[in-house]
Amino acid sequence: GAVVSQHPSWVICKSGTSVKIECRSLDFQATTMFWYRQFPKQSLMLMATSNEGSKATYEQGVEKDKFLINHASLTLSTLTVTSAHPEDSSFYICSARMGQGYDEQYFGPGTRLTVT
Amino acid sequence: DAKTTQPPSMDCAEGRAANLPCNHSTISGNEYVYWYRQIHSQGPQYIIHGLKNNETNEMSSLIITEDRKSSTLILPHATLRDTAVYYCIVSLNFNKFYFGSGTKLNVKP
Repeated sequence: GAVVSQHPSWVICKSGTSVKIECRSLDFQATTMFWYRQFPKQSLMLMATSNEGSKATYEQGVEKDKFLINHASLTLSTLTVTSAHPEDSSFYICSARMGQGYDEQYFGPGTRLTVT
Repeated sequence: DAKTTQPPSMDCAEGRAANLPCNHSTISGNEYVYWYRQIHSQGPQYIIHGLKNNETNEMSSLIITEDRKSSTLILPHATLRDTAVYYCIVSLNFNKFYFGSGTKLNVKP
């Protein structure tokens, strides 16, 4: 099956700093990528939809200026958490879809962010 | 918002079939039913999906009722490695996924 990777797998940063998380589709081209956030013992929450070459579409309640998403190529999307605070500590997961049609949505392994 | 409801947890004996139910009474005619599972601290793993016909693959079967208001995921011979949270999602053709709370399946020896 298709593989999606995330980097880093975990990161610790200080409050007020920015953190960038990468999501890569390793063996396929992803026209659409999705970003999710998951707090402990909770379900995944969709944050935004990212299409290659266009601006991301954010879900209601997600601050687009705080969570910057860039989908510059068909194999890479990045999520930057700007001015991170302890409440941003979470498990961030991306997924990728090849394109229109009956294609799976492949999930990455997730990135654990801890803001101190 | 999630359009599915699932029991919060279920137990299953190892080697027996695990039947996980899902209600999606507001599903529209062109929405698919997807099943994913998430093992602790990993990304979700695709299991199976269907529109209205029953589906089967190497690891599971998906039974969708005729009115499409509910479905059941069947793991025919559960193993300890099947212990996970199972999510039932309805969506248009792998479009946006709104996850519900899922079912925690505990497979016991």
